[in-house]
Amino acid sequence: DQQVKQNSPSLSVQEGRISILNCDYTNSMFDYFLWYKKYPAEGPTFLISISSIKDKNEDGRFTVFLNKSAKHLSLHIVPSQPGDSAVYFCTETSGSRLTFGEGTQLTVNP
Amino acid sequence: NAGVTQTPKFRVLKTGQSMTLLCAQDMNHEYMYWYRQDPGMGLRLIHYSVGEGTTAKGEVPDGYNVSRLKKQNFLLGLESAAPSQTSVYFCASSYGAIGLALFGPGTRLTVT
Repeated sequence: DQQVKQNSPSLSVQEGRISILNCDYTNSMFDYFLWYKKYPAEGPTFLISISSIKDKNEDGRFTVFLNKSAKHLSLHIVPSQPGDSAVYFCTETSGSRLTFGEGTQLTVNP
Repeated sequence: NAGVTQTPKFRVLKTGQSMTLLCAQDMNHEYMYWYRQDPGMGLRLIHYSVGEGTTAKGEVPDGYNVSRLKKQNFLLGLESAAPSQTSVYFCASSYGAIGLALFGPGTRLTVT
């Protein structure tokens, strides 16, 4: 069973607007959620994380929200920039394992 | 620091051939991971290691073996390659179990 699901394979937004990427999870015994960003022909790079004891974490243009009752988290990017165009992975950590969602391709149009 | 490096970057194998992918990290990380990425499926964990001399199975371990004889190296072996193993393979390492992992650039493997 997929423990982390990203139901939107793609998202297209206009430059300057907000991008909202969503993720649902099933495992309540997690330590952290992390968002990774991946450009073509490169490995994923860490973007932002949130621990199980928080409901929000902000870093510049990036904010992650965690709704534990709904088992849902979201990544907000505002304002979106063309350089943000990439695949975004929602990732759960529990113990020593990282479990990835399927990814969402974000395209930010100039 | 070179970070996480992977060798080779590309490889084409015939069905039944064997090969070893090498991952090296120079950050003294304890944890190392091998993932494969296939279209629409995200990254799936093949095997991982929590320290020198240890290995453990991930989500999709069948057809692969690993070894961690030295802390800085994590080897992924395919004993008898199959077309289903055509994929992009990523190695990652992290200092601890929290999961802030650094990834290598990937190895694109095609099995014909």
